[in-house]
Formats: sequence, structure tokens, C-alpha cells
Amino acid sequence: LAKTTQPISMDSYEGQEVNITCSHNNIATNDYITWYQQFPSQGPRFIIQGYKTKVTNEVASLFIPADRKSSTLSLPRVSLSDTAVYYCLVGDGPSNTGKLIFGQGTTLQVKP
Amino acid sequence: NAGVTQTPKFQVLKTGQSMTLQCAQDMNHEYMSWYRQDPGMGLRLIHYSVGAGITDQGEVPNGYNVSRSTTEDFPLRLLSAAPSQTSVYFCASSGGQGVVTEAFFGQGTRLTVV
Repeated sequence: LAKTTQPISMDSYEGQEVNITCSHNNIATNDYITWYQQFPSQGPRFIIQGYKTKVTNEVASLFIPADRKSSTLSLPRVSLSDTAVYYCLVGDGPSNTGKLIFGQGTTLQVKP
Repeated sequence: NAGVTQTPKFQVLKTGQSMTLQCAQDMNHEYMSWYRQDPGMGLRLIHYSVGAGITDQGEVPNGYNVSRSTTEDFPLRLLSAAPSQTSVYFCASSGGQGVVTEAFFGQGTRLTVV
């Protein structure tokens, strides 16, 4: 499974757009990229998943360049409730065979 | 539809005791897995299962056993608890082969070994 690298922490202010970039230089052909969000004392929650180009849902966008060696999670107009740890995962196949490998994640602090 | 249910939510064990952490899902998911999360760290995979009767080791399997006799349940057994196993344990489930799906996590079991 490909190793991922993310910034350890980021700060932002309410209303701003936040972009978190993840590097995955050894991504395999059939790997998907998935992002999870975790609040304190809770299990991670799925945000978005993609294979290439751009994916958008009601909470975020995921940008994946052609070489797929990195990806960027974009959170539009963050609020205080978006303060959380964000994990980028790369795995074999769309459901990763249930074998999710987490890195340390990016702690996002949103300030008023 | 309860999703992924873990019991107990909190547990204190003495060194050397054994116990089983329960995990059940009602979404008919094929894949289930167990993770531990130490303070300030990401989750680490302990064991996982791709279907009833099939289990495999993850990143940190030592000191833990699992079995998957039914699709719904995936218990995690601590054989002889050690202080190093003090952690928060999460169970997760996801759809199955070829299915583009998210993983659903339980609320966690906070385990303290003294």
C-alpha cells in the first residue's frame, strides 16, 4: 500500500477555503485516494474518494493531477466545526479490501 | 439501521487479564477491520477480514486474536492484557469486492490496562 505524506497541521479562519495536499509518490495503478475526517473521541468519517481528475460532493472537492502522485482536498468556506484531523489514504481498489492504512493526518484548526 | 456498534465503550483491565471487544454491523458488509489509536497518532490496523471465515493480520497484530464466524460480527480478543495495549480501539466495516464504498467506523472502545 502506498505511503502518504501530509502536513502535520494547518490553521485557517472561518469562511476561508482550505486546501490540504497529500503526496503519494508510489501510488499503484488500481489505487484509489480516499479522505477521512476525525473529530476528537469519534471514529473517522468518510469525506470523499477519487481515482483521477476532480471529484466534488456536498462537503468537499478532491483534485488529482494526471500523474496521481499527489492529491488536494479542498474545503470551501470552512467553519469552526471543520476543526478536525484529516487523513489521506491510498489503497488497493475502491473499497481498499477493508485494509485502511492511516498516516498521522493533518490537524486543521479553524479560528473565528 | 445502527451501523457499526462497539461494546463496551470503556474498559479497565489489570495486566494479564483477557477480554473481548465486540463489534457488530448491520449493513451486510463483507469487509471488517480493527484499529487502535494512541494519543496524537493515526489509526493502526490490527486485523482485518474480507468475509466470514477469512481473517488476516494488519500492521500491529501481536497480542490480539480475531475470528469472523458471521458476516455481522468481528470480535477482537486480548489474550493477556499489557499496559502497552492501553489505547482507543475502533472497528470498521465496508462494502466488498469491486464496490466503491466508504468505510463506516464505530464510536470506539477506550481501554486502559493498569
